[in-house]
Amino acid sequence: GAVVSQHPSWVICKSGTSVKIECRSLDFQATTMFWYRQFPKQSLMLMATSNEGSKATYEQGVEKDKFLINHASLTLSTLTVTSAHPEDSSFYICSARLGRRNTEAFFGQGTRLTVV
Amino acid sequence: GDSVTQMEGPVTLSEEAFLTINCTYTATGYPSLFWYVQYPGEGLQLLLKATKADDKGSNKGFEATYRKETTSFHLEKGSVQVSDSAVYFCALSDGGAQKLVFGQGTRLTINP
Repeated sequence: GAVVSQHPSWVICKSGTSVKIECRSLDFQATTMFWYRQFPKQSLMLMATSNEGSKATYEQGVEKDKFLINHASLTLSTLTVTSAHPEDSSFYICSARLGRRNTEAFFGQGTRLTVV
Repeated sequence: GDSVTQMEGPVTLSEEAFLTINCTYTATGYPSLFWYVQYPGEGLQLLLKATKADDKGSNKGFEATYRKETTSFHLEKGSVQVSDSAVYFCALSDGGAQKLVFGQGTRLTINP
């Protein structure tokens, strides 16, 4: 199957700093990528849909100025958590689809962010 | 909006037991339905899917049938193994939007 890679796998940062998470589709082009947040023992909550060459579409309640998404190429989307606070600590996961309409979504391995 | 509800976990079974994890959904259109599995320390992997009513998805001994009349997509396996221990997520996709809506996940532990 297709491979989606996230980097880093885990990161610890100080409050007030910014952290960038990368999501790459290694062997296919993804015009659309999705960013999820997973709280401990809870489900994945969609944060935003990242569209190559255009602005991301954010879900209701997600601060777009805090979670900056850039999808500069067909194989790379980045999520930057700006001015991070301890409540931003979470597991962030990206995914991408091979095609449109009900095709399989491939997920990155996730990034564990801890803000201290 | 669209939503998915799974049976609450955790679920603990003995090896070779029969497994059922219930999943029901609400959707305005005609969604596709998925089961994803997350093994410890790994990302989500597609386990099986069904794209229309009465379709049965199957993989690795797991099965689920798309029941439109009961809006359900229950996951079953006749004989579980220790290696099946993981978190299982039911999800739906409204084809137009492409995005997935997940259930809350069910943690499954199989004891030898």
